[in-house]
Amino acid sequence: NAGVTQTPKFRVLKTGQSMTLLCAQDMNHEYMYWYRQDPGMGLRLIHYSVGEGTTAKGEVPDGYNVSRLKKQNFLLGLESAAPSQTSVYFCASSYLEISYNEQFFGPGTRLTVL
Amino acid sequence: KNEVEQSPQNLTAQEGEFITINCSYSVGISALHWLQQHPGGGIVSLFMLSSGKKKHGRLIATINIQEKHSSLHITASHPRDSAVYICAVESGAGSYQLTFGKGTKLSVIP
Repeated sequence: NAGVTQTPKFRVLKTGQSMTLLCAQDMNHEYMYWYRQDPGMGLRLIHYSVGEGTTAKGEVPDGYNVSRLKKQNFLLGLESAAPSQTSVYFCASSYLEISYNEQFFGPGTRLTVL
Repeated sequence: KNEVEQSPQNLTAQEGEFITINCSYSVGISALHWLQQHPGGGIVSLFMLSSGKKKHGRLIATINIQEKHSSLHITASHPRDSAVYICAVESGAGSYQLTFGKGTKLSVIP
């Protein structure tokens, strides 16, 4: 099993450009999450999904959109990138809600917005 | 919003030392997580606990719900334990959001 994979691993964008980050999991997990990690701050939840076709906002959703068209994939989109979105993005998944199962993390995507 | 504080921020230890990392939070929780972030960036879950104590190999996690405090202990530390250790809390049953601490960077010197 590959676990949780993220594509791409690195990306440099110019301000105003758009891109999509792909997260895929092969563990049949219902729950998927997108986080960002910034220096000196803890991980922060951007959006999450509790099942195919459902998404919800987390702590810092502004400037991002997500889609969960297939159970195994969770896409994070930046429509018009800004330098404030320079960060490391982590995707995670879990079988049930957090209380009962651990979260499995992808390797991260390092995004730089110039 | 729950505030999660970890101490120390940075910790350097000699190989073989007993290590303690602390986590405190401001509001009652349903569960607390300890995670490890490797130098390469990968994050793995170490423990989830809502009461008492859990042990896995040389790692021990404890939680005191009344004092809103948890500790992660590493016995007989080894250079491969060098990583950032992250505490995260979930504030209620059915909550899908974790609140993360900023992490404790541990360096174990041979």
